[in-house]
Amino acid sequence: AQTVTQSQPEMSVQEAETVTLSCTYDTSENNYYLFWYKQPPSRQMILVIRQEAYKQQNATENRFSVNFQKAAKSFSLKISDSQLGDTAMYFCAFMKPGTYKYIFGTGTRLKVLA
Amino acid sequence: EAGVTQSPTHLIKTRGQQVTLRCSPISGHTSVYWYQQALGLGLQFLLWYDEGEERNRGNFPPRFSGRQFPNYSSELNVNALELEDSALYLCASSMRSGTSGKNEQFFGPGTRLTVL
Repeated sequence: AQTVTQSQPEMSVQEAETVTLSCTYDTSENNYYLFWYKQPPSRQMILVIRQEAYKQQNATENRFSVNFQKAAKSFSLKISDSQLGDTAMYFCAFMKPGTYKYIFGTGTRLKVLA
Repeated sequence: EAGVTQSPTHLIKTRGQQVTLRCSPISGHTSVYWYQQALGLGLQFLLWYDEGEERNRGNFPPRFSGRQFPNYSSELNVNALELEDSALYLCASSMRSGTSGKNEQFFGPGTRLTVL
């Protein structure tokens, strides 16, 4: 069975600084998808970034980028130029193709400080 | 374009009662997913419906069930409520993507269920 681990329950970062959220996973699959979702306080979860395991290039979406290390089964999220609106719970998720179900980590609560 | 909607927003029930939660997907989405977000346990996958059929199920007892209607909306039913069923229940929808599942799931705001 696949598992996803986020070892940082809470983190804080100063506005305009860079922060990296960690995620590791365990799977015997060779092909899979990895996601980072953001859940702002009292607001809906939204997708931040997605990575397909067969792609070696790290995904990037504006200020958000990932460091995908397939051999190490690591999928960290880097947020550059942090903004107050980045304050949220961040969930790392794994999906095995064809299952259509996310396996989520327990989340990292990120607070951006003014 | 309207997002995923869920009703009710909040619900308070007592042990042993039954509850029905509702979800309307984004227009054009045929797949609906249910997740339980309990305190300290993170998000757990409950059910996936597509084209009216249950396609996958998480590790939950049979008293958690649901269905999907011809208009792709969905209900989640929980029978014989227990205290540990207290959680935020999230519904998500997506377009079906062949056999991969890599399409983004769009989440609703959730229904907060409290069991006393």
